[in-house]
Amino acid sequence: GAVVSQHPSWVICKSGTSVKIECRSLDFQATTMFWYRQFPKQSLMLMATSNEGSKATYEQGVEKDKFLINHASLTLSTLTVTSAHPEDSSFYICSARAYGLYPYGYTFGSGTRLTVV
Amino acid sequence: AQTVTQSQPEMSVQEAETVTLSCTYDTSESNYYLFWYKQPPSRQMILVIRQEAYKQQNATENRFSVNFQKAAKSFSLKISDSQLGDTAMYFCAFMKLLTQGGSEKLVFGKGTKLTVNP
Repeated sequence: GAVVSQHPSWVICKSGTSVKIECRSLDFQATTMFWYRQFPKQSLMLMATSNEGSKATYEQGVEKDKFLINHASLTLSTLTVTSAHPEDSSFYICSARAYGLYPYGYTFGSGTRLTVV
Repeated sequence: AQTVTQSQPEMSVQEAETVTLSCTYDTSESNYYLFWYKQPPSRQMILVIRQEAYKQQNATENRFSVNFQKAAKSFSLKISDSQLGDTAMYFCAFMKLLTQGGSEKLVFGKGTKLTVNP
């Protein structure tokens, strides 16, 4: 079946630094990728949607300059948290969908736990 | 905006028994999709079952079935013959029909933590 690999699974960074999270579709071409944020005991909140080769579409309230998303290829999307602060600490999950599999073919990564100290 | 409500933060069930997780949603859309996702301790979200709003027949996937009540905007998940491996967070999710220029967005509830006891 479809597999999405997310790396790293956890990261600790110092306040003010940037951290990059990778999301790769291993066995399919992901025309659309999604980035979610999950707070403890909360639901997943969509941050942005990206299509390969296009700029990401951010949800209302998500800072574009803080959360940089790059979907440069059909198998890779990256989320860079710039100038991270403790309030950015959270669990980030990516999801990918292959072309033509709307609305069911969403495969999720196993998430990245970001801790900013 | 669409909202999804899961009123049971936590539930427990004995192995081999049946449990029902509730979900209600609010939308003005007539065409949409509903999902139940499972998030085990590994944190990987896994699709359990899905339902198209235009279908009256309730979806079934092996031990998992739904009770879809469109007028009541209710979408409950029934797990039969519960197994230890069913222990996980369960999220109900909504997606409206994608239209030109629209957003392909899954809206999740806050989840229900299900524990299956031996």
